[in-house]
Amino acid sequence: DAGVIQSPRHEVTEMGQEVTLRCKPISGHNSLFWYRQTMMRGLELLIYFNNNVPIDDSGMPEDRFSAKMPNASFSTLKIQPSEPRDSAVYFCASSLQAAHSPLHFGNGTRLTVT
Amino acid sequence: DQQVKQNSPSLSVQEGRISILNCDYTNSMFDYFLWYKKYPAEGPTFLISISSIKDKNEDGRFTVFLNKSAKHLSLHIVPSQPGDSAVYFCAAIGGSQGNLIFGKGTKLSVKP
Repeated sequence: DAGVIQSPRHEVTEMGQEVTLRCKPISGHNSLFWYRQTMMRGLELLIYFNNNVPIDDSGMPEDRFSAKMPNASFSTLKIQPSEPRDSAVYFCASSLQAAHSPLHFGNGTRLTVT
Repeated sequence: DQQVKQNSPSLSVQEGRISILNCDYTNSMFDYFLWYKKYPAEGPTFLISISSIKDKNEDGRFTVFLNKSAKHLSLHIVPSQPGDSAVYFCAAIGGSQGNLIFGKGTKLSVKP
Protein backbone atom coordinates (compact mmCIF):
# COMPACT_ATOMS: atom_id res chain seq x y z
CA ASP A 1 0.00 0.00 0.00
CA ALA A 2 1.69 3.16 -1.23
CA GLY A 3 -0.55 5.47 0.74
CA VAL A 4 -1.89 8.78 -0.49
CA ILE A 5 0.62 10.39 -2.84
CA GLN A 6 0.85 14.13 -3.26
CA SER A 7 2.98 16.16 -5.60
CA PRO A 8 4.90 18.33 -5.54
CA ARG A 9 6.18 18.22 -1.95
CA HIS A 10 7.21 21.86 -2.14
CA GLU A 11 6.07 24.63 -4.44
CA VAL A 12 7.42 28.16 -4.50
CA THR A 13 5.75 30.56 -6.86
CA GLU A 14 5.23 34.24 -7.41
CA MET A 15 2.00 36.05 -6.73
CA GLY A 16 -0.35 35.88 -9.68
CA GLN A 17 0.90 32.56 -10.98
CA GLU A 18 -1.24 29.47 -11.34
CA VAL A 19 -0.52 26.61 -8.95
CA THR A 20 -1.69 23.02 -9.38
CA LEU A 21 -1.43 20.48 -6.59
CA ARG A 22 -1.90 16.80 -7.32
CA CYS A 23 -3.15 13.83 -5.35
CA LYS A 24 -3.40 10.11 -5.90
CA PRO A 25 -5.65 8.47 -3.29
CA ILE A 26 -5.30 4.97 -1.92
CA SER A 27 -6.65 2.44 -4.38
CA GLY A 28 -10.16 1.38 -3.41
CA HIS A 29 -10.90 4.49 -1.39
CA ASN A 30 -13.90 6.33 -2.75
CA SER A 31 -13.80 9.52 -0.70
CA LEU A 32 -11.16 12.20 -1.20
CA PHE A 33 -10.56 15.32 0.83
CA TRP A 34 -8.43 18.44 0.42
CA TYR A 35 -7.30 20.19 3.61
CA ARG A 36 -5.23 23.30 4.24
CA GLN A 37 -3.11 23.75 7.33
CA THR A 38 -2.04 27.17 8.61
CA MET A 39 -0.79 28.34 11.98
CA MET A 40 -3.79 30.60 12.45
CA ARG A 41 -6.59 28.27 11.42
CA GLY A 42 -5.16 24.78 11.85
CA LEU A 43 -6.50 22.06 9.54
CA GLU A 44 -9.40 23.28 7.43
CA LEU A 45 -11.43 21.18 5.02
CA LEU A 46 -11.55 22.81 1.60
CA ILE A 47 -13.55 20.29 -0.42
CA TYR A 48 -14.39 16.63 -0.52
CA PHE A 49 -15.47 14.14 -3.17
CA ASN A 50 -17.43 10.91 -2.99
CA ASN A 51 -17.06 8.61 -6.01
CA ASN A 52 -15.35 11.44 -7.92
CA VAL A 53 -18.28 13.83 -7.37
CA PRO A 54 -17.74 17.04 -5.35
CA ILE A 55 -20.03 16.89 -2.34
CA ASP A 56 -19.12 19.90 -0.26
CA ASP A 57 -16.94 22.77 -1.41
CA SER A 58 -18.05 25.27 1.19
CA GLY A 59 -14.55 25.39 2.60
CA MET A 60 -13.01 26.65 -0.63
CA PRO A 61 -11.96 30.16 0.32
CA GLU A 62 -12.51 31.95 -2.98
CA ASP A 63 -13.26 31.47 -6.64
CA ARG A 64 -9.52 31.44 -7.20
CA PHE A 65 -9.57 27.90 -5.81
CA SER A 66 -10.90 24.99 -7.82
CA ALA A 67 -10.65 21.22 -7.49
CA LYS A 68 -11.32 18.36 -9.85
CA MET A 69 -11.42 14.60 -9.66
CA PRO A 70 -11.53 13.28 -13.23
CA ASN A 71 -11.23 9.66 -12.09
CA ALA A 72 -10.95 7.53 -8.97
CA SER A 73 -7.17 7.69 -8.88
CA PHE A 74 -6.42 11.36 -9.37
CA SER A 75 -7.42 14.78 -8.09
CA THR A 76 -6.10 18.30 -8.50
CA LEU A 77 -6.41 21.49 -6.51
CA LYS A 78 -5.75 24.61 -8.52
CA ILE A 79 -5.18 28.17 -7.35
CA GLN A 80 -5.37 30.84 -10.03
CA PRO A 81 -4.14 33.47 -9.47
CA SER A 82 -2.15 32.67 -6.34
CA GLU A 83 -1.65 35.19 -3.54
CA PRO A 84 0.83 35.30 -0.62
CA ARG A 85 -1.97 34.50 1.86
CA ASP A 86 -2.43 31.15 0.12
CA SER A 87 0.91 30.05 1.57
CA ALA A 88 0.19 26.95 3.65
CA VAL A 89 0.55 23.19 3.68
CA TYR A 90 -2.11 21.50 1.60
CA PHE A 91 -3.04 17.93 2.47
CA CYS A 92 -4.98 15.41 0.48
CA ALA A 93 -6.66 12.53 2.31
CA SER A 94 -8.71 9.55 1.25
CA SER A 95 -10.99 7.09 2.97
CA LEU A 96 -13.59 4.46 2.37
CA GLN A 97 -17.06 5.92 2.13
CA ALA A 98 -18.17 4.29 5.34
CA ALA A 99 -19.22 5.75 8.63
CA HIS A 100 -16.25 6.52 10.84
CA SER A 101 -13.72 5.27 8.32
CA PRO A 102 -10.50 7.06 9.27
CA LEU A 103 -8.83 9.43 6.86
CA HIS A 104 -5.45 8.54 5.40
CA PHE A 105 -3.42 11.64 4.68
CA GLY A 106 -0.68 12.28 2.17
CA ASN A 107 2.50 14.04 3.24
CA GLY A 108 1.27 17.37 1.99
CA THR A 109 2.43 20.09 -0.38
CA ARG A 110 4.09 23.09 1.22
CA LEU A 111 3.11 26.09 -0.89
CA THR A 112 4.95 29.39 -0.66
CA VAL A 113 3.65 32.32 -2.67
CA THR A 114 5.99 35.31 -2.74
CA ASP B 1 -16.06 29.73 15.89
CA GLN B 2 -13.96 26.76 16.90
CA GLN B 3 -16.04 23.67 17.52
CA VAL B 4 -13.03 21.60 18.59
CA LYS B 5 -10.49 23.23 20.85
CA GLN B 6 -7.10 22.13 22.02
CA ASN B 7 -6.15 24.84 24.44
CA SER B 8 -2.58 23.73 25.08
CA PRO B 9 -0.36 24.40 22.08
CA SER B 10 2.47 22.42 23.62
CA LEU B 11 3.27 19.88 26.32
CA SER B 12 6.59 18.61 27.61
CA VAL B 13 6.85 15.29 29.47
CA GLN B 14 9.66 13.14 30.78
CA GLU B 15 10.18 9.73 29.21
CA GLY B 16 8.33 7.03 31.13
CA ARG B 17 5.77 9.43 32.57
CA ILE B 18 2.16 9.87 31.50
CA SER B 19 1.24 12.36 28.79
CA ILE B 20 -2.27 13.79 28.93
CA LEU B 21 -3.56 15.73 25.96
CA ASN B 22 -6.88 17.49 26.28
CA CYS B 23 -9.61 18.46 23.86
CA ASP B 24 -12.91 20.31 24.31
CA TYR B 25 -15.80 20.54 21.90
CA THR B 26 -18.90 22.69 21.69
CA ASN B 27 -21.22 20.76 19.40
CA SER B 28 -23.32 18.31 21.43
CA MET B 29 -24.24 16.48 18.23
CA PHE B 30 -20.72 15.16 17.73
CA ASP B 31 -20.87 11.39 18.16
CA TYR B 32 -17.45 10.17 17.13
CA PHE B 33 -14.03 11.43 18.10
CA LEU B 34 -10.56 10.68 16.79
CA TRP B 35 -6.97 11.47 17.58
CA TYR B 36 -4.37 11.89 14.88
CA LYS B 37 -0.61 12.14 15.29
CA LYS B 38 1.59 14.16 12.99
CA TYR B 39 5.37 14.11 12.59
CA PRO B 40 7.16 16.99 10.83
CA ALA B 41 6.97 16.90 7.04
CA GLU B 42 4.41 14.09 7.15
CA GLY B 43 0.64 13.96 7.04
CA PRO B 44 -1.46 13.21 10.12
CA THR B 45 -1.94 9.52 10.87
CA PHE B 46 -4.89 8.01 12.66
CA LEU B 47 -4.14 6.96 16.22
CA ILE B 48 -7.28 6.05 18.15
CA SER B 49 -11.00 6.82 18.18
CA ILE B 50 -14.00 6.65 20.47
CA SER B 51 -17.72 6.58 19.92
CA SER B 52 -20.03 8.70 22.05
CA ILE B 53 -21.65 5.57 23.44
CA LYS B 54 -18.41 4.78 25.25
CA ASP B 55 -16.40 6.67 27.81
CA LYS B 56 -13.08 4.92 27.31
CA ASN B 57 -11.15 3.20 24.57
CA GLU B 58 -7.74 1.67 25.02
CA ASP B 59 -5.10 0.57 22.52
CA GLY B 60 -1.78 -0.40 24.01
CA ARG B 61 -0.14 2.64 25.58
CA PHE B 62 -2.90 4.93 24.30
CA THR B 63 -6.23 5.50 26.03
CA VAL B 64 -8.89 8.00 25.10
CA PHE B 65 -11.44 9.13 27.67
CA LEU B 66 -14.70 10.86 26.81
CA ASN B 67 -16.75 12.96 29.21
CA LYS B 68 -19.91 13.86 27.29
CA SER B 69 -21.43 16.00 30.01
CA ALA B 70 -18.32 18.18 30.06
CA LYS B 71 -17.84 17.93 26.27
CA HIS B 72 -14.28 16.95 26.95
CA LEU B 73 -11.97 14.20 25.82
CA SER B 74 -8.42 13.37 26.64
CA LEU B 75 -5.68 11.16 25.27
CA HIS B 76 -3.41 9.42 27.76
CA ILE B 77 -0.09 7.99 26.72
CA VAL B 78 1.63 5.82 29.26
CA PRO B 79 4.49 5.31 29.44
CA SER B 80 5.56 8.14 27.16
CA GLN B 81 8.45 7.49 24.81
CA PRO B 82 10.66 9.93 22.85
CA GLY B 83 9.15 8.56 19.63
CA ASP B 84 5.79 9.89 20.78
CA SER B 85 7.06 13.43 20.23
CA ALA B 86 4.72 14.83 17.59
CA VAL B 87 1.73 17.10 17.12
CA TYR B 88 -1.54 15.50 18.22
CA PHE B 89 -4.83 16.56 16.65
CA CYS B 90 -8.22 15.94 18.13
CA ALA B 91 -11.09 15.62 15.64
CA ALA B 92 -14.84 15.17 15.88
CA ILE B 93 -17.76 14.35 13.60
CA GLY B 94 -21.50 14.02 13.93
CA GLY B 95 -24.90 15.63 13.62
CA SER B 96 -25.17 18.04 10.73
CA GLN B 97 -21.40 18.18 10.61
CA GLY B 98 -20.73 15.47 8.07
CA ASN B 99 -17.00 16.05 8.00
CA LEU B 100 -14.20 15.81 10.50
CA ILE B 101 -13.59 18.99 12.44
CA PHE B 102 -10.02 19.25 13.71
CA GLY B 103 -8.54 21.08 16.65
CA LYS B 104 -5.39 23.13 16.12
CA GLY B 105 -3.15 20.50 17.67
CA THR B 106 -0.91 20.08 20.69
CA LYS B 107 2.82 19.60 20.23
CA LEU B 108 4.08 16.90 22.58
CA SER B 109 7.76 16.69 23.45
CA VAL B 110 8.92 13.63 25.36
CA LYS B 111 12.36 14.17 26.83
CA PRO B 112 14.73 11.25 27.45
